[in-house]
Order: sequence, then C-alpha cells, then structure tokens
Amino acid sequence: QQQVKQSPQSLIVQKGGISIINCAYENTAFDYFPWYQQFPGKGPALLIAIRPDVSEKKEGRFTISFNKSAKQFSLHIMDSQPGDSATYFCAAKRGSSNTGKLIFGQGTTLQVKP
Amino acid sequence: ETGVTQSPTHLIKTRGQQVTLRCSSQSGHNTVSWYQQALGQGPQFIFQYYREEENGRGNFPPRFSGLQFPNYSSELNVNALELDDSALYLCASSLGLAGGSRYNEQFFGPGTRLTVL
Repeated sequence: QQQVKQSPQSLIVQKGGISIINCAYENTAFDYFPWYQQFPGKGPALLIAIRPDVSEKKEGRFTISFNKSAKQFSLHIMDSQPGDSATYFCAAKRGSSNTGKLIFGQGTTLQVKP
Repeated sequence: ETGVTQSPTHLIKTRGQQVTLRCSSQSGHNTVSWYQQALGQGPQFIFQYYREEENGRGNFPPRFSGLQFPNYSSELNVNALELDDSALYLCASSLGLAGGSRYNEQFFGPGTRLTVL
C-alpha cells in the first residue's frame, strides 16, 4: 500500500510535442502528490504539486491531472523542449502526517528530440 | 534566499568504515529529511529531523543515524558501511508545521555521491 507506480520508464518526444507521464497509488491516505525533475548529477527539483481536492493544476507548460476514484495522477508537459530532457519522479505523501516521508515512483527518463 | 547545500560532493569509502554527510537547510526551513537514491531508482526516505529530534524513519537499519543542530543544519552518519550503501544521499528541507499550507513542500540539495569499495 506504500507503493507509487510510475510509467513509462522512458519516453522520447519530438520538440513541441506533449509528454505524458502516469502514476498510480494504492494508499488512500495519501493527499499530497508532487512531481520532481532531476538532471544528471543534481538533486530533484520540485516542479508542481496537487492535492486531491482538485482534478487539475497548471503551472506554465506543466499540468497535473488527478483522478481520485482511479487513484491515478499524471504530468503533462506541453510544447516539450530539449531542455526538458531529464528524469521525472512522481511522489506521494500523507499530507496530514508531520513526517516528511515522500514515497517516490521509479522515475521516467524523458528525451525531447530537436 | 539560500538553497539547500550538502557536503561533500563526492566521497569514496571502504566497506566497514564510517561516514558523515552534512546538510544546510534552506533559509527559514526548520525541518530536514534525508533520502537515499540508488542508481536508476527513486529516492527512498531514511528519516526526518524536526526541532533537533528524529521525527519519522523509513526502512533503514540503526547504523543509519542523524543529528540536527540548533541552526537546523543536519548530519547523516552511516556506520559499518556496506557495498549496497553506495548511492546518492539527498537532503531535503521544508518549512515544517510553520509553513501552513506549504509545509509539505520539500526542497532538495544537490546530494552527496557515496561510493563504497
């Protein structure tokens, strides 16, 4: 019940296309769902996060879609650029818990071709 | 605003040795979490420190221990190093309960790459 499953493992998109990464969870106590972007040799950087009381959140070219009944959420990167090439991680946390335990997915390596 | 910093950047140790990794939290953040990231994997939660006390622990043995200091900086200590401890160790800071609606947001440092030979 603690797992977060992420797919696909890798993704190749043409410049200007839409990149879509999906995550699924089982623990209904999770109520905070962030996405992180990680470049080689760097720490993960917080991109965008959502709570389950909304179905969608958009920040610039990044959008999270959330389906509470299906226990799934996804990251959409619009107008993908070569600079977006990185590894993306979804995560989940029991927001009501004071413990900072983020449960991460396995990651998706995105390559955006020029 | 100063981000999360970690030292050293890289470290090579041999099996059985002990190591100490250091983290300075982002300005204004009072909570520090440590994660282990094996190659090709997502980060795994080790533990969190709040007000200088351990506040939650993941599935890691007692040879992983930590400290938090009054200035909110933190150390991760690993004793009796094993080959499987080779990983990127990440520190993340957050506002904690003082952050209101933003207390969930965790900001990561660049990590320390530990190699155990």
